Amino acid sequence: DAEITQSPRHKITETGRQVTLACHQTWNHNNMFWYRQDLGHGLRLIHYSYGVQDTNKGEVSDGYSVSRSNTEDLPLTLESAASSQTSVYFCASSVGREGEQFFGPGTRLTVL
Amino acid sequence: GEDVEQSLFLSVREGDSSVINCTYTDSSSTYLYWYKQEPGAGLQLLTYIFSNMDMKQDQRLTVLLNKKDKHLSLRIADTQTGDSAIYFCAETPYNQGGKLIFGQGTELSVKP
Repeated sequence: DAEITQSPRHKITETGRQVTLACHQTWNHNNMFWYRQDLGHGLRLIHYSYGVQDTNKGEVSDGYSVSRSNTEDLPLTLESAASSQTSVYFCASSVGREGEQFFGPGTRLTVL
Repeated sequence: GEDVEQSLFLSVREGDSSVINCTYTDSSSTYLYWYKQEPGAGLQLLTYIFSNMDMKQDQRLTVLLNKKDKHLSLRIADTQTGDSAIYFCAETPYNQGGKLIFGQGTELSVKP
């Protein structure tokens, strides 16, 4: 069955380290999104991509980067992790630009 | 700007109806969504309504849209303990490339 997976599911890191969170989907969706979920804020968009070699900044992109070298993967990199980036991160994908987004199970990141 | 607001908590008794409310600010939104998040899991699309509709019914779920007041509601009939979760309202502003703007989420607690 087609799916969207995230790894790792849990990560503890130290301030200043570079961290990469993986997202992989097997639906062949063109659109992929990264969100962070924090109490009281719902989900906020970090970066998104409409296809290979395309990346765009979302609402809270500072300190994060993404790259899209193939259709299936959109890794999220925290260049120098900060305690304010402790959060739960969700990846999503969709077929069309307006329509259902399918979410991964999330990665809980703790920055000490 | 774009903003989506929800109340944070709702508690109901098993068998009662639940009504979760949401207000949004962007009148150009083409689709409005309800997502469900169970503990430790990603988001799952429950239902959606297109902006030119007033109501949509899907088994125990009824979505009402009041475009004049920019108010969206989700009614769950015969609420069960398995409906306990966080429910997110989200909008897709027109011509924003499918980006989802989420509310903060309403935590529904169903008591036996």
